[in-house]
Amino acid sequence: AQSVTQLGSHVSVSEGALVLLRCNYSSSVPPYLFWYVQYPNQGLQLLLKYTTGATLVKGINGFEAEFKKSETSFHLTKPSAHMSDAAEYFCAVSLYGGSQGNLIFGKGTKLSVKP
Amino acid sequence: DAGITQSPRYKITETGRQVTLMCHQTWSHSYMFWYRQDLGHGLRLIYYSAAADITDKGEVPDGYVVSRSKTENFPLTLESATRSQTSVYFCASSGRGGATGELFFGEGSRLTVL
Repeated sequence: AQSVTQLGSHVSVSEGALVLLRCNYSSSVPPYLFWYVQYPNQGLQLLLKYTTGATLVKGINGFEAEFKKSETSFHLTKPSAHMSDAAEYFCAVSLYGGSQGNLIFGKGTKLSVKP
Repeated sequence: DAGITQSPRYKITETGRQVTLMCHQTWSHSYMFWYRQDLGHGLRLIYYSAAADITDKGEVPDGYVVSRSKTENFPLTLESATRSQTSVYFCASSGRGGATGELFFGEGSRLTVL
């Protein structure tokens, strides 16, 4: 069965610093991978996704993630943090061709941005 | 307005009472989902539906009932609420399902069971 591990429940960075949120997955078959963001008191929204093709995926708000099969990782990065990036970020995985309900979320990483 | 809406946004109830959380989407998406979000657990799938009259259990279905008589509505019922069901509940929809498509989430329903 597939699973997702997000390293670090809280990450704090200074405004303008690099953002790195870590996600590792386990899957016996090629996965589809997602990052979602949740702003306070809101639902989740898709930041970016990897299905097939290019392993470096660009998303909204300057975020990107790289699928590294050898490391079973899909880390989220942004070169320069902005105050508006403060939110909770969820990595998620599903199996290609798997059950349509089978989107498994990590436990989330809360990002704080200091001025 | 177009989108996915949940009601009520906030609900306080007592142990043993029946509670229904409503979810309505205007996109005619085939797939709909119910998740619960708890500190330390992230999001866990309760039930999902691939189409009207088709529902299936997720990771944590016990104590919940769903129905999908119309494509646009996917209510979640707690038949006899327990304190462990205190949580934030999110409804989501997708045109292509959770495996390959983007999920669109409602703003959540915060339920407190006393």
